[in-house]
Amino acid sequence: EVQLVESGGGLVKPGGSLRLSCAASGFTFSSYSMNWVRQAPGKGLEWVSSISRSSSDIYYADSVKGRFTISRDNAKNSLYLQMNSLRAEDTAVYYCAKTGYSYGHFDYWGQGTLVTVSS
Amino acid sequence: DIQLTQSPSFLSASVGDRVTITCRASQGINSYLAWYQQKPGKAPKLLIYAASTLQSGVPSRFSGSGSGTEFTLTISSLQPEDFATYYCQQLNSYPRSFGQGTKLEIK
Repeated sequence: EVQLVESGGGLVKPGGSLRLSCAASGFTFSSYSMNWVRQAPGKGLEWVSSISRSSSDIYYADSVKGRFTISRDNAKNSLYLQMNSLRAEDTAVYYCAKTGYSYGHFDYWGQGTLVTVSS
Repeated sequence: DIQLTQSPSFLSASVGDRVTITCRASQGINSYLAWYQQKPGKAPKLLIYAASTLQSGVPSRFSGSGSGTEFTLTISSLQPEDFATYYCQQLNSYPRSFGQGTKLEIK
């Protein structure tokens, strides 16, 4: 059974940093690209970042480019999101999601971790 | 960047109704479109990928169609558990944009 478990969320002051983790199990982690998606309270889904299987290809939304860094450790079956210079508008539930085969869709999602940026 | 516009944004329907949600892309995306269902406090769940392929385990009352710039998600006979918010997402290029969502409510 595929499982994705996020951790690392919490309350942080504007300008602060936070590192999210996503522990994967139930599939060959190194064979799939991975993604982060966020959802601000009461709002829709926003794609944040994607990373290829070998980390050779990385993409970011303009809203986080230069502040967030996605990475992965295939030996540890883990995905990360380093978030720096956090702003109030980064407040959201952050989901990690596995990319499906062939068409790039997100076939499995974690339960999410809440990041609150507030003074 | 590709923009996705869903219509309607809100939909009120009854159990047993047939409903259709439309997703329009600002430029052609071939068949690189997925549909997700999200219930309050839960993670999104994949329903349809490649515009019309039903994800394993998803009931057959859900179907998707379209290619290019116009896509539809149809629920043939609404069940109580289908009342949720639905999102489309394009996988043709980065950024991987989502539609704004369609909230399906009980009439």
